[in-house]
Amino acid sequence: DAGVIQSPRHEVTEMGQEVTLRCKPISGHNSLFWYRQTMMRGLELLIYFNNNVPIDDSGMPEDRFSAKMPNASFSTLKIQPSEPRDSAVYFCASSSTGGGANVLTFGAGSRLTVL
Amino acid sequence: SQQGEEDPQALSIQEGENATMNCSYKTSINNLQWYRQNSGRGLVHLILIRSNEREKHSGRLRVTLDTSKKSSSLLITASRAADTASYFCATAYYLSGNTPLVFGKGTRLSVIA
Repeated sequence: DAGVIQSPRHEVTEMGQEVTLRCKPISGHNSLFWYRQTMMRGLELLIYFNNNVPIDDSGMPEDRFSAKMPNASFSTLKIQPSEPRDSAVYFCASSSTGGGANVLTFGAGSRLTVL
Repeated sequence: SQQGEEDPQALSIQEGENATMNCSYKTSINNLQWYRQNSGRGLVHLILIRSNEREKHSGRLRVTLDTSKKSSSLLITASRAADTASYFCATAYYLSGNTPLVFGKGTRLSVIA
């Protein structure tokens, strides 16, 4: 398996533009998580899905953020409109319920810079 | 917040020395995990210890858990330059299933050759 695949790896955009980040989880994993990492706040959970259904989006900072998981192999995180304070590394992670433990496999991240 | 807190924030040691990192958390947990993050990369799972376990080993890693003190420690023995990375503890704040992990801010370990 190629692991969790995220795209793009780097994105530089201007304030006000729409940003779409993409994630392909590991095949067979039934949970998907979006985290954001900054120096100031560390790793923050934004939203997670179980079996393609959003379970908890309380970490999504504002209505400008939205996430979808149309099928088991694809998820998107969209920011519209983007702002400089959204600059961060966004990680997608997936896991399965095997063994009752929730060990996460992370993607390499998408580094977003909003000018 | 149920976030774990790692201590120290940064640690610099010589190759061959042992490195100890600590983690404290606030609520009852199902398990506690340690992850490593190399610069510019995603986090990689190292080891998981369940709430009914006190110590666990994996290669040069040793993890302890004290649920009465709500704390854990990660010991890396005979450190190598390749161990240079940030280390995070993560706790599951629900009791079962695919529940999200809450991460601390990490300990930055530098191993000097």
